[in-house]
Amino acid sequence: DVKVTQSSRYLVKRTGEKVFLECVQDMDHENMFWYRQDPGLGLRLIYFSYDVKMKEKGDIPEGYSVSREKKERFSLILESASTNQTSMYLCASRADRLYNSPLHFGNGTRLTVT
Amino acid sequence: AQSVTQLGSHVSVSEGALVLLRCNYSSSVPPYLFWYVQYPNQGLQLLLKYTTGATLVKGINGFEAEFKKSETSFHLTKPSAHMSDAAEYFCAVSAAGTALIFGKGTTLSVSS
Repeated sequence: DVKVTQSSRYLVKRTGEKVFLECVQDMDHENMFWYRQDPGLGLRLIYFSYDVKMKEKGDIPEGYSVSREKKERFSLILESASTNQTSMYLCASRADRLYNSPLHFGNGTRLTVT
Repeated sequence: AQSVTQLGSHVSVSEGALVLLRCNYSSSVPPYLFWYVQYPNQGLQLLLKYTTGATLVKGINGFEAEFKKSETSFHLTKPSAHMSDAAEYFCAVSAAGTALIFGKGTTLSVSS
């Protein structure tokens, strides 16, 4: 089974802090994704990466950046955390760019910015 | 562009009753469609997917969905609900070469 691991289950940060959310997958998947999940809004795509050192903006990239230096790891960075970034963050991976391949999700990081 | 609409943010059924969760999609190309389930405090898990071929797709835990092109629908059903089915369900459509686009989700409650 594919395992997608998000390093923190819960995080509490202060406004203005730089925040790193880490995600690691163990199946040599090419594609990785960051979504945020908010009640009533479903999942919204922040950034995704087709391969190492590649990244593309999703629907809501403002206030976020990403890093993919190694194939198995995809980091989401909040340069200066704000309270409106309080949310559940979900990382996912996919074997390849074929759009009939399913995504495999981590258990999520619940971030609270105070 | 692709989009997904899930009708009803909350559905309540009794144990043993039929479960019907509605999903309509919009796509300019033949879609690939997915249903995911999220149990409390967990990530999303794939229930089933439609790619090509048979329009009635069977998934895990007794769920199935039927792709109806004429109605642009992909509704999820289960003949008899169990308490363990209580969760949030997401319909999603794929866009060529990119990530999945998700609906806003439907929370299923099951009462005894």
